[in-house]
Amino acid sequence: ETGVTQSPTHLIKTRGQQVTLRCSSQSGHNTVSWYQQALGQGPQFIFQYYREEENGRGNFPPRFSGLQFPNYSSELNVNALELDDSALYLCASSLAILQGNTEAFFGQGTRLTVV
Amino acid sequence: TQLLEQSPQFLSIQEGENLTVYCNSSSVFSSLQWYRQEPGEGPVLLVTVVTGGEVKKLKRLTFQFGDARKDSSLHITAAQPGDTGLYLCAGAHPGAGSYQLTFGKGTKLSVIP
Repeated sequence: ETGVTQSPTHLIKTRGQQVTLRCSSQSGHNTVSWYQQALGQGPQFIFQYYREEENGRGNFPPRFSGLQFPNYSSELNVNALELDDSALYLCASSLAILQGNTEAFFGQGTRLTVV
Repeated sequence: TQLLEQSPQFLSIQEGENLTVYCNSSSVFSSLQWYRQEPGEGPVLLVTVVTGGEVKKLKRLTFQFGDARKDSSLHITAAQPGDTGLYLCAGAHPGAGSYQLTFGKGTKLSVIP
């Protein structure tokens, strides 16, 4: 059973650029959630994907968008990067509530630095 | 807006001491979870508490959920250097898929040998 994997592990981008982060969910998990963790803070919910649709969104602007693919993997896209977007981006996979055990398993994160 | 307040923010203790960290919510969640996060890693789930008044034990860790389901505590007995890390509480509320988590800012624990 493979865990949640994220790529890349580290990334440096220039303000105004666009970035795509990737997440492969744990085997069998059909729900993927993305979180942003700024330095010294707890993770903040960005959005969740289930059945390839966005299901719930936190307080993030539309330039944060995502996708979920038929194999349940997911992408997080951020356009027009700002300095404040520098953070650790975490992906978590889980089963849907109606399937029972909904424990979320987190990847190791992608450290994004915007300069 | 649902908020989770954790205290203390930082805690540095000697090996063998006991400690308690607190998590207080402005509202009720479906459940409350405690995670531990090490540098460069994602959070790892320690426990989920659901019922008001619930107490769960995980070796030297004791978790309590308040009767009103709005506050929780984590008590560590005889802390060890391996307990060092960021302890996060998170409130879970259901979405159409799975639960969505609201995290506190965390308590950064350092256990000195």
